[in-house]
Amino acid sequence: DQQVKQNSPSLSVQEGRISILNCDYTNSMFDYFLWYKKYPAEGPTFLISISSIKDKNEDGRFTVFLNKSAKHLSLHIVPSQPGDSAVYFCAAPQGGANNLFFGTGTRLTVIP
Amino acid sequence: DAGVTQSPTHLIKTRGQQVTLRCSPKSGHDTVSWYQQALGQGPQFIFQYYEEEERQRGNFPDRFSGHQFPNYSSELNVNALLLGDSALYLCASSFLPGQGLRTQYFGPGTRLLVL
Repeated sequence: DQQVKQNSPSLSVQEGRISILNCDYTNSMFDYFLWYKKYPAEGPTFLISISSIKDKNEDGRFTVFLNKSAKHLSLHIVPSQPGDSAVYFCAAPQGGANNLFFGTGTRLTVIP
Repeated sequence: DAGVTQSPTHLIKTRGQQVTLRCSPKSGHDTVSWYQQALGQGPQFIFQYYEEEERQRGNFPDRFSGHQFPNYSSELNVNALLLGDSALYLCASSFLPGQGLRTQYFGPGTRLLVL
């Protein structure tokens, strides 16, 4: 049962434009969400998170929006840069604090 | 600071064999979690070790076992390998199990191919 879903396997965006990556979840008990970025041959690295008591969290060029009623979150990257090209995973904690349900990932390509 | 290191980087085994993967946590970290990432999928939680004991386990069969040593490093063992065990195995470390996911660091992974 895929509790965290990323329905777009890939996304291409021009440099300088906005990238929007989407994630849906089914478990209404999730109270915390994270986004990770993964480059080839590297492990995922934490990017940004959001608590379920908020609907927006911003960190520099990265903003995550949470719509609890729709069980949907999105990651906005503005402006997109070629170095942002990577696979992005959304994730939510399961049970213990360090155990995560991951989505299947979205490969972002930023075209110079 | 070397971060989380894993060995080997790549491994090829045949069905039925056994494999051991190794992980050294980031300096100062004492908790190690293992994840399996199959091709085209997100990482799936296997288990977590803290104080040399398995603390939590995901939906993986008993063929998957682990160990944590006094220096906090960890091993993942998989017995009776199946073709479906081919995946990237990721190790993640943190300080204490409940100290927050934002402080969890992942290693680069071990790519296992089962033929």
